[in-house]
Amino acid sequence: DQQVKQNSPSLSVQEGRISILNCDYTNSMFDYFLWYKKYPAEGPTFLISISSIKDKNEDGRFTVFLNKSAKHLSLHIVPSQPGDSAVYFCAARGNNNAGNMLTFGGGTRLMVKP
Amino acid sequence: KAGVTQTPRYLIKTRGQQVTLSCSPISGHRSVSWYQQTPGQGLQFLFEYFSETQRNKGNFPGRFSGRQFSNSRSEMNVSTLELGDSALYLCASSSDPNEKLFFGSGTQLSVL
Repeated sequence: DQQVKQNSPSLSVQEGRISILNCDYTNSMFDYFLWYKKYPAEGPTFLISISSIKDKNEDGRFTVFLNKSAKHLSLHIVPSQPGDSAVYFCAARGNNNAGNMLTFGGGTRLMVKP
Repeated sequence: KAGVTQTPRYLIKTRGQQVTLSCSPISGHRSVSWYQQTPGQGLQFLFEYFSETQRNKGNFPGRFSGRQFSNSRSEMNVSTLELGDSALYLCASSSDPNEKLFFGSGTQLSVL
């Protein structure tokens, strides 16, 4: 049973436009959410995170929105750049002394066309 | 500051063998976690170590084990390898549990 789902395996966006990546979760015990970016042959790189007490967190071109009632989060990238082309993973952590035990979604491959 | 270093980068083994993978965390980081990435199952948590103690363990069989040394370096071991163990094994470190994770580039294990 997948507790964190990214229903879009791929997304194609024109350079300069907005990229919106979505993530749904089922476990109500999750209280911290993260987005990672992964290039081929490299490990995931942390992008941005959000605590369940917030509904929005912004860092430069990246904004994460959390809708707890819908158990949904999204990552907005504005404006999108060709260098943003990568696989994006959302991840969640529980509030039960989970430490660095993260549950990842399956990933969304973002392609930003010049 | 050097990043998380994993060795070896690639590994080919046959069924039934055992394998040991190594991870050197970022200097000063005391928490080390291991993840398995496969095309079918995605990224799955294996275990986490902090100050040489296993803090959390994922849902993997006992053939998967790990340890952490006093210098925070970590190893994971897989015994009696199966074809399904073919995966990218990622190590990540953080200064403390619940802090941002920094991942290494991984060890690509192929079991033939």
